[in-house]
Amino acid sequence: GAGVSQSPSNKVTEKGKDVELRCDPISGHTALYWYRQSLGQGLEFLIYFQGNSAPDKSGLPSDRFSAERTGGSVSTLTIQRTQQEDSAVYLCASSFLPRIETQYFGPGTRLLVL
Amino acid sequence: GNSVTQMEGPVTLSEEAFLTINCTYTATGYPSLFWYVQYPGEGLQLLLKATKADDKGSNKGFEATYRKETTSFHLEKGSVQVSDSAVYFCALSVLNSGYSTLTFGKGTMLLVSP
Repeated sequence: GAGVSQSPSNKVTEKGKDVELRCDPISGHTALYWYRQSLGQGLEFLIYFQGNSAPDKSGLPSDRFSAERTGGSVSTLTIQRTQQEDSAVYLCASSFLPRIETQYFGPGTRLLVL
Repeated sequence: GNSVTQMEGPVTLSEEAFLTINCTYTATGYPSLFWYVQYPGEGLQLLLKATKADDKGSNKGFEATYRKETTSFHLEKGSVQVSDSAVYFCALSVLNSGYSTLTFGKGTMLLVSP
């Protein structure tokens, strides 16, 4: 079956521009997570969705970061006014209740801010 | 808070050597423990998991045992192959308010030479 997909796979942008990253979770997975993988910081949790609501946004690093999920499926992570320190690989994962602790990851979007 | 500490790499081995990658954790609550693997150019894949003390997770010849008394989840393989070259991440999750997020170690790169 289809796994978690993310687009674009690579994104190069200029400092100050906005970017949108997309995640399609595995069909039927109600839980969706965003993580960031950057040099020196390892893998960091950003935000968690259960259905369309986000009960845990504690990992978003600043108010330039936001995310939404519609129809209990696709999610978009938006970074406004990008900075060079936003350069990283953004990973999306999904999981299925009740085995919510097992998360399946997408291939990631590699973001480079020049 | 929750944290995972794993040995720094790179770990360099010859084919058929024995592998151990150490992982220790601190957690509030009762965590599930995971090893994820990231092959070059690919996304994170779940390698194995254990959900309670003394459980042994195993997959593809890799094993790890959940040791509550030493708060450890060391990854082992009896005979590594070149194809095992990848970055290995130890992680934990704790159910909290009905959901869990993953806390990762910084990753250990394994390089296996023929």
